[in-house]
Order: sequence, then structure tokens, then C-alpha cells
Amino acid sequence: SQTIHQWPATLVQPVGSPLSLECTVEGTSNPNLYWYRQAAGRGLQLLFYSVGIGQISSEVPQNLSASRPQDRQFILSSKKLLLSDSGFYLCAWSVQGAQPQHFGDGTRLSIL
Amino acid sequence: GESVGLHLPTLSVQEGDNSIINCAYSNSASDYFIWYKQESGKGPQFIIDIRSNMDKRQGQRVTVLLNKTVKHLSLQIAATQPGDSAVYFCAESSNDYKLSFGAGTTVTVRA
Repeated sequence: SQTIHQWPATLVQPVGSPLSLECTVEGTSNPNLYWYRQAAGRGLQLLFYSVGIGQISSEVPQNLSASRPQDRQFILSSKKLLLSDSGFYLCAWSVQGAQPQHFGDGTRLSIL
Repeated sequence: GESVGLHLPTLSVQEGDNSIINCAYSNSASDYFIWYKQESGKGPQFIIDIRSNMDKRQGQRVTVLLNKTVKHLSLQIAATQPGDSAVYFCAESSNDYKLSFGAGTTVTVRA
């Protein structure tokens, strides 16, 4: 069966520091991969999605970037974090070109 | 712009009763709809989905109804249990890549 892993589960970072969140998927090949952000008490906002290695689509202008160095690895990064980057970051995968999306358990990011 | 939204932000239901969670969408091009359940501190968990060529789909204790005429989606949970307490999200898509999420409905089950 397929599984998705995100780490770390929680992270506290100072303003201006860099960020790297990692997501890996097991049990499938060539998945679509997604990064979402969820503000407290709100729905999910799609940040990036990828249909293959090195292929990244950005949905909203922001202080973050994404990379997909391997087929089942998706990384969310920032060079300098802002207070507004605080939130719950969720990674998801789906079969290539299909739904549904399956989510990891997220990273709670707090910026101080 | 196009959006997906829920009619009510909270729902309180007696244990054993049926629950109905509603969702409105505005993108007439949407052809795929999905419900997720999110428990505190966890990622959304897939419940059930439906394509626009169907009006109804049933799972274990859950039923999704789609009314394309009025652009309305609902999730029915039969015999609601304490473990059903969570935030429920609807989402829609007009392609096979992106999902647009509503704001969520918090369901609280009373013992």
C-alpha cells in the first residue's frame, strides 16, 4: 500500500531563517505531488504541484519554493522566513493525472 | 472568482443521529467532487468522492449527493459516532490536478 511521510511534525523558526520541509511517498511511482498551506480554522490553499521530477507549478506568489529532486520526494523551501509563513503545511500525492489526493499528517510551522 | 464554500461552519449532532453537511460550489466546469475528514493535528483523510456523471454515491455509513442544477453537494453520515467528530471539507476540481477546498464544517457529536 502507499504511504506518505512528512517531517518534521512541528517546527519553530525565527524570522529570516531558512526552511526545508520534506515529503516522501512510498508504494507508488510517478505520482502527482502537492504542497498546501492551511491557516488556523481555514481551508487548504494549494501552493505547488508537480507532475514529475524537476517539474514544479506554483499557484500563488510567495516567499516559498518547491523542488522535486527524486520521483517520490517533494521539498518545500524558503531562504528567509516571514511571520506570515506560519501555518500548517500539508503534502499530498495522487496517481498521475487522477484523483483523489492523499495527505500526509502535516508540519506545524511557527515563526517567531 | 470560482469558489467552493460550506453553508454552515459548525454542526452539533446527537450520537446515533444522521448528519448532513452541505457544500455549495460555483464553478460550473467542476466535474469531480470529494469529501475529506480532518481530525485535530492531522492531515485530511479521504472519505468519498463523486464525478459529475453521478447524482449519488454510497460508502460505509456515508453518502454523497450531487445536485448539479443548483451546484450543491452534501455528505450524509448515518448513525453518527463520537469518532465522527472532526472538520469536514468539500473540494472540487475541473481537471485532474487541482482541488479547490471549502472552508470546512466542524462536526461535534454529543453523547
